[in-house]
Order: sequence, then structure tokens, then C-alpha cells
Amino acid sequence: DTEVTQTPKHLVMGMTNKKSLKCEQHMGHRAMYWYKQKAKKPPELMFVYSYEKLSINESVPSRFSPECPNSSLLNLHLHALQPEDSALYLCASSQTAKQGKKLFFGSGTQLSVL
Amino acid sequence: DQQVKQNSPSLSVQEGRISILNCDYTNSMFDYFLWYKKYPAEGPTFLISISSIKDKNEDGRFTVFLNKSAKHLSLHIVPSQPGDSAVYFCAASAGWAGGTSYGKLTFGQGTILTVHP
Repeated sequence: DTEVTQTPKHLVMGMTNKKSLKCEQHMGHRAMYWYKQKAKKPPELMFVYSYEKLSINESVPSRFSPECPNSSLLNLHLHALQPEDSALYLCASSQTAKQGKKLFFGSGTQLSVL
Repeated sequence: DQQVKQNSPSLSVQEGRISILNCDYTNSMFDYFLWYKKYPAEGPTFLISISSIKDKNEDGRFTVFLNKSAKHLSLHIVPSQPGDSAVYFCAASAGWAGGTSYGKLTFGQGTILTVHP
């Protein structure tokens, strides 16, 4: 199993809604990531979890709240988002967070904020 | 400030010929480089990587060349196949020597490769 599974694939939400994005991997990886990709732009790192602890927060607004309940799962809780937050949200995992460990990406959640 | 640049938004190649995708970087701290391929509605898929202690890495039809003095890398695909048509992202990270980069990748804008039969 070399897959990173993300749900849902598409999400439409209003600015007052609360929703969550989910990510799961069963490769035994101990590092998991959230990236954000706007249309025609490269993916940009949001958060890194290493051994279930938050290692990097790239100055992401608090309306995005990550959670790593265990080594296989990664969530991204969304609250009071803005229309400019509409993007493709990509989850990734790697063996560890050290360099040289290639990242495996999920297919992403396409988020639209109305 | 775009630290990783792919200046060609698109490239069109005939099947069987060589595809050459280019990438330039400005951050001299980058010492590990990767290429990812992305199909529509899918996440990026790892293709090949190279560390700064090498100038070439080969894997089947894919070869990555690194020119540190020019801060330039390229991906060669030989022979190109229609199934190679996708968006190709160059990515870079820093801290290979210290091993503490925490997996932060900086991506280029991507190049759309189209391989015609």
C-alpha cells in the first residue's frame, strides 16, 4: 500500500461553516504534511508533523487548525475561512521528516469557500 | 521572491524524442532537488531526486542533471512517451548535510509537458 488517501475530494463551504479535511496513510510513515496549491501556482507548505508532533507551521492563519491523532491520520480543521482560501489542499507523508525521504502525495481536496 | 523557477510554462515534444525540462534556483542553501509529475485531479508523484554532491542521477528513461555553479538543474526524458504528458514540478530543499530540513520542499511553477504520438 503506497497510497495517501484524502477525503473528501471536493468540498464547498460557507464562510461561517466548520469542516474538516482528512488524510490517511498506512505505509508506516512518521512524517505528514499539509500543502496548499492555488490554481496555476506551485504547492506551498502549510504544516509538518513529525512523530505526531507539530514541527513546522508556516505562519498559517489560525482559521486552519491541524491535528495528528495518530501516526496514520492527519486532519485539517477549517473554521471561518475566506474566499481566498479556496484551493487544492494536498496531504503528503514520508518515512521521516529528514531530507532525502521522498514525499508521497494524496490526490487532494479541492476546496471552494463561498 | 520565487526561489525555484521553471521559466517554460509548457513544452511540446514528439513521441520518441527527448524532453528537456529546466529549473533554476536562487537559494544557495538548497542542496537536495526533486522532480515530481502531476496528472489532473491527482497529487504530485515523485520521479527522481539528486543531492548536491552529485551532478547526475539516472533512473530508467529519466535523468536529472545538476549544475551547482549555475544553480540550474534539468530533467531529461528519453524516449518521451504520450503517457509522460503531465505537469512537471521541480522542488528543492535545504539542510541535507545536517539532516534537519523537516521535509520542507519549495516548488517551481511547473511545466506542462505534452508528448504527441
